[in-house]
Amino acid sequence: DVKVTQSLRYLVKRTGEKVFLECVQDMDHENMFWYRQDPGLGLRLIYFSYDVKMKEKGDIPEGYSVSREKKERFSLILESASTNQTSMYLCASSSRDREYEQYFGPGTRLTVT
Amino acid sequence: EDQVTQSPEALRLQEGESSSLNCSYTVSGLRGLFWYRQDPGKGPEFLFTLYSAGEEKEKERLKATLTKKESFLHITAPKPEDSATYLCAVQVDGGYNKLIFGAGTRLAVHP
Repeated sequence: DVKVTQSLRYLVKRTGEKVFLECVQDMDHENMFWYRQDPGLGLRLIYFSYDVKMKEKGDIPEGYSVSREKKERFSLILESASTNQTSMYLCASSSRDREYEQYFGPGTRLTVT
Repeated sequence: EDQVTQSPEALRLQEGESSSLNCSYTVSGLRGLFWYRQDPGKGPEFLFTLYSAGEEKEKERLKATLTKKESFLHITAPKPEDSATYLCAVQVDGGYNKLIFGAGTRLAVHP
C-alpha cells in the first residue's frame, strides 16, 4: 500500500514564526502536492512538484514556499506565519503514469495565533 | 473560470436508504473526474476515475456515473460505515497535474 506520512498531526505557532511541514512517501512517486483544506472551500492546491528540485505554483502559492531535495520528501515552508494560514494541510503523491490518482497523507492541522 | 460544485452539502440517511450525491462542473475541457472519500481526521482516499460521458464505475455499494455536465455518486443500501465526506475533483485540459476539488458532501448514515 502507498503510504504518505505527515509526522505532525497538530501544530500551533505564533504569528511571524517560521513553519516547516514535511511529507514523506514510500512508493517512489514522481509527483507530490501540497493542499490546504478549509470548510466550505474544499482542497486548494498550494504547490506541486513533478521531480526532484522541480516545483510549480498551484492556485494559492502566496505566503508559501516548497522544497524537494529528495524524491520521497516534499516540504512546505511558511516563512512568516499569519493567522489566515490557519488550516488543515494535506500532502499527496502520485505516479507519473497514474498522475491523477493522488494518495493523501493524514494532514497537519496548523493553528496560527 | 473552472468550477466544481457538490450538492447537497450534507446528507443524512437511514441505513438501507439509497440516495445520490451530485457533482456538477463547469470547465474548459474535462480530462477526468475523480471521486474521493474522506473520513474525519484522515486524508482523502481515492475511489473512482471517470473519463468520458456515459462511463460508470462501481465499488461495493457505490456507483459513479458521468454526463457532460455532472457526475453522480449513487449509494445503494448504505451502511453506517459509509458515513464520510465524499469529494469530487476534476482535471482540466492544460491543467497539468492539477485537480480542482469541490467542497464535498458530508454523508451520515444512521442505523
